[in-house]
Amino acid sequence: GENVEQHPSTLSVQEGDSAVIKCTYSDSASNYFPWYKQELGKRPQLIIDIRSNVGEKKDQRIAVTLNKTAKHFSLHITETQPEDSAVYFCADLTTDSWGKLQFGAGTQVVVTP
Amino acid sequence: NAGVTQTPKFRVLKTGQSMTLLCAQDMNHEYMYWYRQDPGMGLRLIHYSVGEGTTAKGEVPDGYNVSRLKKQNFLLGLESAAPSQTSVYFCASSRDEAYEQYFGPGTRLTVT
Repeated sequence: GENVEQHPSTLSVQEGDSAVIKCTYSDSASNYFPWYKQELGKRPQLIIDIRSNVGEKKDQRIAVTLNKTAKHFSLHITETQPEDSAVYFCADLTTDSWGKLQFGAGTQVVVTP
Repeated sequence: NAGVTQTPKFRVLKTGQSMTLLCAQDMNHEYMYWYRQDPGMGLRLIHYSVGEGTTAKGEVPDGYNVSRLKKQNFLLGLESAAPSQTSVYFCASSRDEAYEQYFGPGTRLTVT
């Protein structure tokens, strides 16, 4: 896709609370939306992804929702734990872009005990 | 199964020097990518490859060259390093377009 805007840039939550990160994309041809987690000093790793034919996907404490009309998708983390502290990146992919993901700038999530 | 590996892990270069970063994957993936990561700017694609013998430019290709002579290896070259190329470089691979990209551990490059 083209630009992907990610908000907020930093998010501080109490352990046990929920965290929500939102991304907005501009290309209506975007069809794949992954989320990556990067712990300090480590490599990014995929935590969940969603395709354009699905509105919501869950995996234990994390979920992703997609609103194609509004062109935004969100990551929801419930019952946050200290190990959820990391930088989270959203990304999108458009049809015929040869796997070229467009990443958001990232959200630093800090979970305080 | 090592996944994606990168060599070296750290490097310091003087302006004008050249170097090659090596990425290797043992998952038989077709697609490979080179990203750079700078504070507050997320991951930006430098070059990518959709199969052995192919390369293409990404978002920030200037000052870099790549080669994919073997399916499992993707090399990133800096011909004449500049301080603006100080960054953390990540290689990634995926089996196809809209599938998980597996990242290497990264190379921290400093150009003085």
